[in-house]
Amino acid sequence: DTAVSQTPKYLVTQMGNDKSIKCEQNLGHDTMYWYKQDSKKFLKIMFSYNNKELIINETVPNRFSPKSPDKAHLNLHINSLELGDSAVYFCASSQAPDLQFGNTIYFGEGSWLTVV
Amino acid sequence: SQQGEEDPQALSIQEGENATMNCSYKTSINNLQWYRQNSGRGLVHLILIRSNEREKHSGRLRVTLDTSKKSSSLLITASRAADTASYFCARSNSGNTPLVFGKGTRLSVIA
Repeated sequence: DTAVSQTPKYLVTQMGNDKSIKCEQNLGHDTMYWYKQDSKKFLKIMFSYNNKELIINETVPNRFSPKSPDKAHLNLHINSLELGDSAVYFCASSQAPDLQFGNTIYFGEGSWLTVV
Repeated sequence: SQQGEEDPQALSIQEGENATMNCSYKTSINNLQWYRQNSGRGLVHLILIRSNEREKHSGRLRVTLDTSKKSSSLLITASRAADTASYFCARSNSGNTPLVFGKGTRLSVIA
């Protein structure tokens, strides 16, 4: 059983379109994340939710809007897609948001977004 | 910036050799974690070392942490072709701050 699953795996779309990526975790974790990995493999946090509440928003353009209907789901909607949005988007979860006590992060397999 | 550096950026070795990857960081940490990413896949947690620990082992993995130098290393002994992947260190600070990942080391193990 996949712990963190995200769909779609691949997405090719034109500039200006709106798209969504869905994520679900079956680990019973309270905290979920969206990370963006660019072409140079640099992985950067975008958002973090704890029990459906936004706790981290790392200066992401407001074209990106996460939504957490419940603590097992965190979806990412992107409006007016731009070429620079092309990247791999990873959903992830952890037991709690406080990672200093040794909580680890479980990642999904990634969603490859290509904007043409 | 809290972002650290991993080096080397890429490493190519023969099967059976040991692989050492280094990670440096700039701010104090509570713990440091290493993750692995196979090509086209998500990241998988390998090992965590707390700031009061100096060395930790897990199978063929050995992680060291030197908080005075703000650096960590990951050693993979007796490497296998299946170890080919990118390896990332991630630092955890206090509170709810997110893990900060480095840019990773791309390891290629040649059979």
